[in-house]
Amino acid sequence: EVQLVTSGGGVVRPGGSLRLSCAASGFRFEEFGLSWVRQVPGKGLEWVSGINFNGGSVGYGDSVKGRFTISRDNAKNSLYLQMSSLRSEDTAFYFCSRNFNGGRNSPSDRWGQGTLVTVSS
Amino acid sequence: EVVLTQSPGTLSLSPGETATLSCRASQNLGINYLAWYQQRPGQAPRLLIYGATTRATDIPDRFRGGGSGTDFTLSINRLEPQDFGVYYCQHYGSSDVTFGGGTRVEI
Repeated sequence: EVQLVTSGGGVVRPGGSLRLSCAASGFRFEEFGLSWVRQVPGKGLEWVSGINFNGGSVGYGDSVKGRFTISRDNAKNSLYLQMSSLRSEDTAFYFCSRNFNGGRNSPSDRWGQGTLVTVSS
Repeated sequence: EVVLTQSPGTLSLSPGETATLSCRASQNLGINYLAWYQQRPGQAPRLLIYGATTRATDIPDRFRGGGSGTDFTLSINRLEPQDFGVYYCQHYGSSDVTFGGGTRVEI
């Protein structure tokens, strides 16, 4: 069974940093691209970042470019999102997801449970 | 950046009816890199359709994607109670990924 378990959410002050992790199991991790998608409670979905199967290609949404960094460790079956210079508008549930192929921008066919990041003083 | 506009905002229907959801892109999507997701309350999204018309694994044929260029539709035939939720379209281009604002389907 495919599982994506997200961790690392919490409360952080504006300007602070936080690192999210996503532990994957149940599939050949190194063959699939991965994404981070966020959702303000009660609002719509926003693509945050994507990474291809080997980490050689990454992409970011305009609102996080230059502040967030996506990475993966295929030896540990793990995906990460390093978030810095956090703003109140970054407050949201963050989902990690598996893309349906090895591309960084492909649709996501499996999703984790989401972790809440709250940026507040 | 491609902007996706979904309509209507809310659709109120009864079981057995057909829902037709629209997604309009701000520019021609060319190779139809357009996907649809369902999100039920408190759950993560579920991929329904990719490539504008191809159903994802285990998605029943009651769900049908159509359209090309700038205008796309998702049709849900013979609505069932578990079909309620919010539906999002998504463009997945070579340089960016964007979501539409969503259509809420109330059963």
